[in-house]
Amino acid sequence: QLQLQESGPGLVKPSETLSLTCTVSGGSISSSPFYWGWVRQPPGKGLEWIGSIHHSGSTYYKPSLKSRVSISVDTSKNQFSLTLRSVTAADTAVYYCARDTRVLAATWGAWFDPWGQGALVTVSS
Amino acid sequence: DIQMTQSPSSLSASVGDRVTITCRASQSIGTNLNWYRLKPGKAPELLIYAASNLQTGAPSRLSGTGSGTDFTLTISSLQLEDFATYYCQQSHSPPRTFGQGTRVEIK
Repeated sequence: QLQLQESGPGLVKPSETLSLTCTVSGGSISSSPFYWGWVRQPPGKGLEWIGSIHHSGSTYYKPSLKSRVSISVDTSKNQFSLTLRSVTAADTAVYYCARDTRVLAATWGAWFDPWGQGALVTVSS
Repeated sequence: DIQMTQSPSSLSASVGDRVTITCRASQSIGTNLNWYRLKPGKAPELLIYAASNLQTGAPSRLSGTGSGTDFTLTISSLQLEDFATYYCQQSHSPPRTFGQGTRVEIK
């Protein structure tokens, strides 16, 4: 059974960089045809897709976050990671990783499944 | 970006009630519409994919319909585990966007 687990610091100072890692178990990132993504939920608000990566290195991001976001993959560790630069209080959220069933050849017809349990990241001095 | 609008934002219902949640897209998205359930402290769950396909393991009392711009999620007989927040999400074109959520509360 495929499982995902987020890890990383729970507190980040304003203007600094948020870094989270998602460890995948029960399946191999490098042999999967799918992408792997990040979604966040600020307190009291809805879900926001951040971006996704394929093991080939292909990425796609939410345009409004693209200038601050990088997603990378480490197939040797079966992990993918999120980096968000120059954070503010507005980046405080529960961050989820999930498999994004998009494939390289198509940009439509995908969904997120399964998901990790989420990691709360607070931006505060 | 494609905007997704859910209604209602919240509802109160009793165990056994039939509940319907609506999701409207700002442009036609075919059947590229998914539904998720979120509970505090738990991993989000995919319930319905491609508008009407029940995800393996999701209860059969759930159903999804719609195409184009208008979609619905129906729970035929509400159970205790269904009290949660539900989100629709479009996968017609990037960026992936979600509705604002519908909170289902116990009456």
